[in-house]
Amino acid sequence: KAGVTQTPRYLIKTRGQQVTLSCSPISGHRSVSWYQQTPGQGLQFLFEYFSETQRNKGNFPGRFSGRQFSNSRSEMNVSTLELGDSALYLCASSLGDYSNQPQHFGDGTRLSIL
Amino acid sequence: AQTVTQSQPEMSVQEAETVTLSCTYDTSESDYYLFWYKQPPSRQMILVIRQEAYKQQNATENRFSVNFQKAAKSFSLKISDSQLGDAAMYFCAYRDFGNEKLTFGTGTRLTIIP
Repeated sequence: KAGVTQTPRYLIKTRGQQVTLSCSPISGHRSVSWYQQTPGQGLQFLFEYFSETQRNKGNFPGRFSGRQFSNSRSEMNVSTLELGDSALYLCASSLGDYSNQPQHFGDGTRLSIL
Repeated sequence: AQTVTQSQPEMSVQEAETVTLSCTYDTSESDYYLFWYKQPPSRQMILVIRQEAYKQQNATENRFSVNFQKAAKSFSLKISDSQLGDAAMYFCAYRDFGNEKLTFGTGTRLTIIP
């Protein structure tokens, strides 16, 4: 079974630009969650999508948005990039049934803002 | 809001020895899940072990076991017969019932000394 796939692995952008990150979950998983990982703030929850609907949201500004498609693939968009958005963005997928089944993570996308 | 605390930023252990990583959490909920994930330099977050709060028995996965003390809100990870491949950042994570959101601790960097 293929794991969670995130593309691209690396991105370099400049301030003010926007960026779209992609996440393909494990086959059969309907929930996709996004996390931001930085040395200063650690791992922080961005949002979770289930069946094309945002089901939960973390405490991030509106510049961070996402969506999920009918095949459960998800994209995350960050607009008007700031230096502080430089981070590793991790995607995780799960069945989404709130059972004891864990989330499975991708390798992440490393976003650098110049 | 739930919080997770890992008080040991770094730990080291001799190969083949045993090491225990600490984790405490704060919650007002009675039902929840706890996880330990490891993140090697390759970046992917890998599940090590999980514990359901309603289970009194401590979880075990091969060389990895936990000491779950619900009243004390403590969830430590014991790694027996440490191997070089165990070197990684270890994150303790909390998840409410009825929610996919993971709340992470700040991590413990584990070094294995040959």
